Amino acid sequence: NAGVMQNPRHLVRRRGQEARLRCSPMKGHSHVYWYRQLPEEGLKFMVYLQKENIIDESGMPKERFSAEFPKEGPSILRIQQVVRGDSAAYFCASSPLAGNRETQYFGPGTRLLVL
Amino acid sequence: QQQVKQSPQSLIVQKGGISIINCAYENTAFDYFPWYQQFPGKGPALLIAIRPDVSEKKEGRFTISFNKSAKQFSLHIMDSQPGDSATYFCAASMAGNQFYFGTGTSLTVIP
Repeated sequence: NAGVMQNPRHLVRRRGQEARLRCSPMKGHSHVYWYRQLPEEGLKFMVYLQKENIIDESGMPKERFSAEFPKEGPSILRIQQVVRGDSAAYFCASSPLAGNRETQYFGPGTRLLVL
Repeated sequence: QQQVKQSPQSLIVQKGGISIINCAYENTAFDYFPWYQQFPGKGPALLIAIRPDVSEKKEGRFTISFNKSAKQFSLHIMDSQPGDSATYFCAASMAGNQFYFGTGTSLTVIP
């Protein structure tokens, strides 16, 4: 039973480029959460999605950031026109549709470096 | 503002000793308090979790103590081992929504 998968694991972008981060939740999980972790800091919530719906995007920057979780395929976190301050580790987590929904299982993260 | 405050920032413990990490929260609506362990270059992994209707939960060498009136909870690692060296995060959530994480504690267990 594969865990949460994220790719790429490392991503280097130049300022102004776009970054696309992918997250495939665990089998049977339909809730996806994205978090950002800056060096020496805890994880900060960005967005919570269910299939085809954004449930809570209160942690997302108002500009340049977007997220989706289509009916088919992985969840995508998209950062347009990246800036150096976007350099961080981005983690997604998933939880099941029913049952113990509080338990979130994290992926290995994507480490974004903006040059 | 920081919804969950965690201390200490770093901790050094002798092998076989007890590691204690503390967290405090303000929002009484929180109803789920997990602890996560993170090794360098990896994602956080769930270690143990507690709900506010119990005051203590133990799993192996790991124990959560929960004080609802003080709005505090702590992680105790008994018989700490070098393999426990990692960063530990407490978190809190309500109704299965987003987690609010503490800032993390870097634990080093020296042989």
